[in-house]
Amino acid sequence: AQTVTQSQPEMSVQEAETVTLSCTYDTSENNYYLFWYKQPPSRQMILVIRQEAYKQQNATENRFSVNFQKAAKSFSLKISDSQLGDTAMYFCAFMKPRGGTSYGKLTFGQGTILTVHP
Amino acid sequence: DVKVTQSSRYLVKRTGEKVFLECVQDMDHENMFWYRQDPGLGLRLIYFSYDVKMKEKGDIPEGYSVSREKKERFSLILESASTNQTSMYLCASSLTSGRTPGKETQYFGPGTRLLVL
Repeated sequence: AQTVTQSQPEMSVQEAETVTLSCTYDTSENNYYLFWYKQPPSRQMILVIRQEAYKQQNATENRFSVNFQKAAKSFSLKISDSQLGDTAMYFCAFMKPRGGTSYGKLTFGQGTILTVHP
Repeated sequence: DVKVTQSSRYLVKRTGEKVFLECVQDMDHENMFWYRQDPGLGLRLIYFSYDVKMKEKGDIPEGYSVSREKKERFSLILESASTNQTSMYLCASSLTSGRTPGKETQYFGPGTRLLVL
């Protein structure tokens, strides 16, 4: 079974600065997918960024980028130029490829509450 | 835009009551999921469905059942609510992508906060 660990329950950052959220996972799979989801205080969860394990290049989406270290099973999220709207809970998630009974299920970490201060 | 809606944002029920949580998606997604979210535990999968009338147990199915009679609707049922089922319940849906499974982004509803007294 896969496990996902986010060791930082809470983080804070000043507006316009950079912050990195940590995530580690455990799996015996070679091909898989990793995600960061954001859950703002209004509660609607949205996808921030996605990484395919077979790609060595780190994914980027505007101010959001990841540092994917496959051998270390580490998948951190870097938020540059932090904005007040980035205040949210962030979840790291793992997905096995479809096949057998996996059906694209997500395994989530515990979440990290990020607060951006003005 | 994909839209996933849940029937209630807040719900208060009594111990022993039968509780129905409804989820509807408008994007013709094959897959639908029910999670519960608890502080310090993240999201845990209760049940999921990959087709109409098909369902599979997730990681914590005990005390829950589901129904999917139509593709767009996935219901979570608490047969006899208990206080330890007080939680936030999130529904999600995703498309089946045989060639690019990593594209199967899950889209979430706003959640239902259930309090069982």
